[in-house]
Amino acid sequence: AQKVTQAQTEISVVEKEDVTLDCVYETRDTTYYLFWYKQPPSGELVFLIRRNSFDEQNEISGRYSWNFQKSTSSFNFTITASQVVDSAVYFCALSEAENNFNKFYFGSGTKLNVKP
Amino acid sequence: DAGVTQSPTHLIKTRGQQVTLRCSPKSGHDTVSWYQQALGQGPQFIFQYYEEEERQRGNFPDRFSGHQFPNYSSELNVNALLLGDSALYLCASSLVRPPSTDTQYFGPGTRLTVL
Repeated sequence: AQKVTQAQTEISVVEKEDVTLDCVYETRDTTYYLFWYKQPPSGELVFLIRRNSFDEQNEISGRYSWNFQKSTSSFNFTITASQVVDSAVYFCALSEAENNFNKFYFGSGTKLNVKP
Repeated sequence: DAGVTQSPTHLIKTRGQQVTLRCSPKSGHDTVSWYQQALGQGPQFIFQYYEEEERQRGNFPDRFSGHQFPNYSSELNVNALLLGDSALYLCASSLVRPPSTDTQYFGPGTRLTVL
């Protein structure tokens, strides 16, 4: 079974529109971490945010915001007033610690196309 | 502050050959993880090295092996290459502070093509 599901394969929006990328995860651990990474066409994964399982506060960073809901096992990512430079593939990831060493599980990614 | 570096950038091999990919972690990091990312897919965890030992492993065959050196750099070796091994290989580094887990920072990757 997939531990991280990103049901949206590809999303296209026009610049300045708001867009939400969905992420649903599955884990039996009580302590875990959730991440979002951005992968531009160059290929390098860029870290965006990390949340631990005990902190359900939503976070805002500029045009980016994240909604973590344990009740629905979701960690959604919203970009407000999207820009062409936001075009990339976005990955949600789950980290579970086994014997003090983390194991990462990535979703299949959502490709975001922002058109001018 | 140097980030994660990987070499080579691109590599072309033929079936049955062996390949070695290299990674230097971000300054101050002590843990290196390797991932395989097939085209259009998310990264798949191969294994993780800390203190020169393999600590975690994903569902990859023994043809995939690794090594970590005293300076924390790492190598990924793949033997008996198959066409299906063609992918972007990503290295990520982090700092282990048991029992917590830390953020992984990724390198630019090595694009391996097997013909």
